[in-house]
Amino acid sequence: KAGVTQTPRYLIKTRGQQVTLSCSPISGHRSVSWYQQTPGQGLQFLFEYFSETQRNKGNFPGRFSGRQFSNSRSEMNVSTLELGDSALYLCASSLAGLAGDEQYFGPGTRLTVT
Amino acid sequence: GQNIDQPTEMTATEGAIVQINCTYQTSGFNGLFWYQQHAGEAPTFLSYNVLDGLEEKGRFSSFLSRSKGYSYLLLKELQMKDSASYLCAVRVTEGGKLSFGAGTTVTVRA
Repeated sequence: KAGVTQTPRYLIKTRGQQVTLSCSPISGHRSVSWYQQTPGQGLQFLFEYFSETQRNKGNFPGRFSGRQFSNSRSEMNVSTLELGDSALYLCASSLAGLAGDEQYFGPGTRLTVT
Repeated sequence: GQNIDQPTEMTATEGAIVQINCTYQTSGFNGLFWYQQHAGEAPTFLSYNVLDGLEEKGRFSSFLSRSKGYSYLLLKELQMKDSASYLCAVRVTEGGKLSFGAGTTVTVRA
């Protein structure tokens, strides 16, 4: 069974631009979560989608948004990029995010904002 | 907020055993995860405990005590490739949101 995939793997953007990242979960998994990882803050939860609905949300500004499609693939969008948005963006999938469901990460998208 | 604590660094010798402790104080509990992360790579799933007790998977074992808010990851027969960061994470509520500790960097020396 294929794992979680993310595209693109690397991205360089300029301040003020916007970016869209994509995540395809493991087949059969309906919960997709997004995380930001930086050396200073560690792994921070952005949001989770389940059955095309945002189910959980972290403490990030509204510039960070996401959506999920009917095939469970998810996209994350960051508008008006700031230098501090440079990070590794990880998505993770699980069957339904319930107690007992394991959660697996994709390889991540490394975003550099200049 | 959620409080998840684990040691910052640990060093051990190849072939030895290392135990990484994780204590948590969270508003809810729906399971505890351990992940391994090598530098520059994504976290890799190691174990998941939702009930008290020990879960064993080859050289890795994880223990949970919900009443004490405590877990540990035990790495046996250490190999050089085990040098990595080990992340403890708690699923506080139902859903995919995990709250992570800062990670423990384990260095395995020959």
